[in-house]
Amino acid sequence: DQQVKQNSPSLSVQEGRISILNCDYTNSMFDYFLWYKKYPAEGPTFLISISSIKDKNEDGRFTVFLNKSAKHLSLHIVPSQPGDSAVYFCAASALGTGANNLFFGTGTRLTVIP
Amino acid sequence: EAGVTQFPSHSVIEKGQTVTLRCDPISGHDNLYWYRRVMGKEIKFLLHFVKESKQDESGMPNNRFLAERTGGTYSTLKVQPAELEDSGVYFCASSPRWFAYEQYFGPGTRLTVT
Repeated sequence: DQQVKQNSPSLSVQEGRISILNCDYTNSMFDYFLWYKKYPAEGPTFLISISSIKDKNEDGRFTVFLNKSAKHLSLHIVPSQPGDSAVYFCAASALGTGANNLFFGTGTRLTVIP
Repeated sequence: EAGVTQFPSHSVIEKGQTVTLRCDPISGHDNLYWYRRVMGKEIKFLLHFVKESKQDESGMPNNRFLAERTGGTYSTLKVQPAELEDSGVYFCASSPRWFAYEQYFGPGTRLTVT
């Protein structure tokens, strides 16, 4: 049973506009959330994370929002650039249980159109 | 600093054969993880080593999969005998601490079982 879901397999955005990638989760024990970015033939690269005690974390053009009551998080990229075109994976961890493995979604392919 | 490396990058084998995948983590990283992504699906956790010990192998699909980490350095993942459903991309990741929030991924090994 998939505990982290990314329901949009793809997203296209014009350069300079905002990209919003969404992620839902079902396990209430998740207390840490991450976004990874993946280019073809490469492994996922860590992008940004957020702890469950926060509702927002910002790093340059990237902002992650967490809505715990809705079990939903989103990644905002502003402004979007062509180099942002990649597959974005949402991931979650239940560190408070002592486990350290990550649960991933299926990914959203972002295409930024110049 | 060298990243996580994996060998081979691609392996094509016939059903019933044996394949061994290798992962070299970032130097000094005690924690090593194996994940697998089947075509179009989520990246799924397989197991977690702390140094040479298996900390969590709850994600290993069955006893045809054997993972080892000799001397707490590199790790191997052997599939014997391989089945068609074992096809996918196998990722290795490492992190420096137990509760490391970010895991560093290798480029993956694409396994095709025909």
